[in-house]
Amino acid sequence: AQKVTQAQTEISVVEKEDVTLDCVYETRDTTYYLFWYKQPPSGELVFLIRRNSFDEQNEISGRYSWNFQKSTSSFNFTITASQVVDSAVYFCALSEARETSGSRLTFGEGTQLTVNP
Amino acid sequence: AAGVIQSPRHLIKEKRETATLKCYPIPRHDTVYWYQQGPGQDPQFLISFYEKMQSDKGSIPDRFSAQQFSDYHSELNMSSLELGDSALYFCASSSRSWGVSYEQYFGPGTRLTVT
Repeated sequence: AQKVTQAQTEISVVEKEDVTLDCVYETRDTTYYLFWYKQPPSGELVFLIRRNSFDEQNEISGRYSWNFQKSTSSFNFTITASQVVDSAVYFCALSEARETSGSRLTFGEGTQLTVNP
Repeated sequence: AAGVIQSPRHLIKEKRETATLKCYPIPRHDTVYWYQQGPGQDPQFLISFYEKMQSDKGSIPDRFSAQQFSDYHSELNMSSLELGDSALYFCASSSRSWGVSYEQYFGPGTRLTVT
């Protein structure tokens, strides 16, 4: 069975601070995929990044960066110079590779990030 | 770019009624997923379809059924509604290659309220 844990339920920062959202996962598969999604107050789920288990390179996209460490089963997300518009719930998710079935996402509990002006 | 379309966006039903939610995936996406998100909860996988066949099943109540049609749109049918069915229902779509499904793109969701 797969499991995703986001230990930080809520984080509050002041604008321009850097913030890291933690994600730890469990899976028995050797091939799997990790994701981050953003859910702003409007409710939609916005795809941010997908990582496969064979690619441990860190990734940077503008103010966003992701640190994938297989040794600690973690896939952490850092926002640099946070902005008020970053306020949202952020979900980390895991899917296992299946030949014949769909790759359902297992989500963590989510981290509510509030960026104050 | 085209996104996943869900209708209706909001739905209010009474207990024991029936509801039908519709999902139109991104063009050329062959896999559709349904998720249920209760208040303050993370999304929970219900069911998925690949090329119009059910491909995986999660914690979907027996009162719910779903299918994917020839034009790839999908419908989630919910009968004998209960208060606990009040939630945000997401549809997501993805494309698959060599048995691997790529990132799932979510629709805006249908907010179902059961009174």
